[in-house]
Amino acid sequence: NSKVIQTPRYLVKGQGQKAKMRCIPEKGHPVVFWYQQNKNNEFKFLINFQNQEVLQQIDMTEKRFSAECPSNSPCSLEIQSSEAGDSALYLCASRLGGSAETLYFGSGTRLTVL
Amino acid sequence: GQQVQQSPSSLVLQEGENAELQCNFSSTATQLQWFYQSPGGSLVSLLSNPSGTKHTGRLTSTTVTKERRSSLHISSSQTTDSGTYLCALNAYKVIFGKGTHLHVLP
Repeated sequence: NSKVIQTPRYLVKGQGQKAKMRCIPEKGHPVVFWYQQNKNNEFKFLINFQNQEVLQQIDMTEKRFSAECPSNSPCSLEIQSSEAGDSALYLCASRLGGSAETLYFGSGTRLTVL
Repeated sequence: GQQVQQSPSSLVLQEGENAELQCNFSSTATQLQWFYQSPGGSLVSLLSNPSGTKHTGRLTSTTVTKERRSSLHISSSQTTDSGTYLCALNAYKVIFGKGTHLHVLP
């Protein structure tokens, strides 16, 4: 089904540490999303890219996260200083183009902040 | 803002029974997708269905756009169908419902 690859599968960090996760979108997909899913199953949109450019991001992402999608390298999402509330499943998704296209997700990175 | 509501929130079935999951959304979008999320967290796209009826295997989705609703029918459920089924409105951002937790008993 999906060929979006996320690494690592699990990540454990102490409070204040950096936490970095990577995503290789499906080949040829220029649009990439990052979502955070909490224990209540709620999805929070974090940021999206078209090619290397940020399309939209929320305030939290702008202040505390560092994200990029360089050409010919995996996309990445890094929390600069992890907090307990950041513990969640981080999901990366890609699609071929606009909103009419199917969205494909990776398996996620489960972050635990101790 | 746009909202997606799913019902029921949870469903328990005996193996072999059919399941009917509902999704209501607050505005139209160019794409509506049904996803399956395994207990481990992986999200799998099941069907993309902005309007009409689509089938794949034991799954049938019917979306009535002007009534802003979509359904997912699972026929002859199996224990391996257990997990969370998510409906998502695919617009500029993707808006998810909270899902239906399905548990199929042997």
